[in-house]
Amino acid sequence: AQRVTQPEKLLSVFKGAPVELKCNYSYSGSPELFWYVQYSRQRLQLLLRHISRESIKGFTADLNKGETSFHLKKPFAQEEDSAMYYCALWGFQKLVFGTGTRLLVSP
Amino acid sequence: GAVVSQHPSRVICKSGTSVKIECRSLDFQATTMFWYRQFPKKSLMLMATSNEGSKATYEQGVEKDKFLINHASLTLSTLTVTSAHPEDSSFYICSALWGGTDTQYFGPGTRLTVL
Repeated sequence: AQRVTQPEKLLSVFKGAPVELKCNYSYSGSPELFWYVQYSRQRLQLLLRHISRESIKGFTADLNKGETSFHLKKPFAQEEDSAMYYCALWGFQKLVFGTGTRLLVSP
Repeated sequence: GAVVSQHPSRVICKSGTSVKIECRSLDFQATTMFWYRQFPKKSLMLMATSNEGSKATYEQGVEKDKFLINHASLTLSTLTVTSAHPEDSSFYICSALWGGTDTQYFGPGTRLTVL
């Protein structure tokens, strides 16, 4: 079975500081990985997916198969980045989520 | 595009009653929808996969007779919590699979409180 691990429940940084939200996965096949974000009182929305290799809102994530990781990074955090971030893996016809990391960006 | 709605956004009911939650894909057709449950400060847990025109696939530990899922059209899936009890109180979220992709679009969720 697939598993997604986000070791940090809370990550608190100051505005302008670099951010890295960690995500590790376990999956027997070739993984399809996603990052979802949930802003306060809003629905879950797709931030980025590893297949597209995009940079959304300054965030990037690189799939490292050797380390089975898909960490989310941003060089300069903004206050509006404060939200709940979920790493997710699509496999065996379903999406499995990590427990989420709350990012708090202080001024 | 790719908007998913849920109705109602919140519902309070008495123990023993049944509650129906609707999930609609507003601007696209979805042959597959998913139902999740989210506990406070916890992650989303997949309850079941809803396939249009066929029976839902439930995850291990989810009672089929308690959580009835119907996906009668390409834009609507319903979740009925039967004989609800206080432990069923939770935040229920649906998502719809868009086109031939593996991208899910999520509804805003339904807060169920069983008294």
